[in-house]
Amino acid sequence: QKEVEQDPGPLSVPEGAIVSLNCTYSNSAFQYFMWYRQYSRKGPELLMYTYSSGNKEDGRFTAQVDKSSKYISLFIRDSQPSDSATYLCAMNNAGGTSYGKLTFGQGTILTVHP
Amino acid sequence: DAGITQSPRYKITETGRQVTLMCHQTWSHSYMFWYRQDLGHGLRLIYYSAAADITDKGEVPDGYVVSRSKTENFPLTLESATRSQTSVYFCASRSLAGGTYNEQFFGPGTRLTVL
Repeated sequence: QKEVEQDPGPLSVPEGAIVSLNCTYSNSAFQYFMWYRQYSRKGPELLMYTYSSGNKEDGRFTAQVDKSSKYISLFIRDSQPSDSATYLCAMNNAGGTSYGKLTFGQGTILTVHP
Repeated sequence: DAGITQSPRYKITETGRQVTLMCHQTWSHSYMFWYRQDLGHGLRLIYYSAAADITDKGEVPDGYVVSRSKTENFPLTLESATRSQTSVYFCASRSLAGGTYNEQFFGPGTRLTVL
């Protein structure tokens, strides 16, 4: 069983829809929870990160972490065709001076059609 | 170029050949990483390095060799390429700083095909 599970999709939604992307994990030591966005033929880029449990909002994006359920989510409101990408969740159990080993989910391919 | 670059961007080779993928970063980040990305597996860590001349294995190191003689460069060598090493390879780096989360920055990737 993988430490981080993510539904690979693909997910196709109409423009303006609310998108929900999710990951579950098994390692209770994870403290930092990240969402990376990867456009086709590009490297991943950090979209948002959250430390421990709670919500974080950035424009149309909201990240939620529920450590009691070992479940994290990314919500995209008013989705746009430019949001079409692969979304990867990632986690690690330390920040700061550690090397920050990231454990990634499989990635969810999202297409937002006009 | 500022940031993190990888070369070549595309490579086709044959089984048994040695291949070296290059990674260069201009930020003087201490940590550097090599990942491979395959359908169904996401990104998996091959090797990482905490500083020049300090490297360690990640999740899938077999068949790969790394070196880091200079802070800014972190080449990945496939000593005898196999078809199972066909993948997209990403290099990443992050700074060494205490107290806060430090983002990993990824290069554009190298798409390697082993025939």
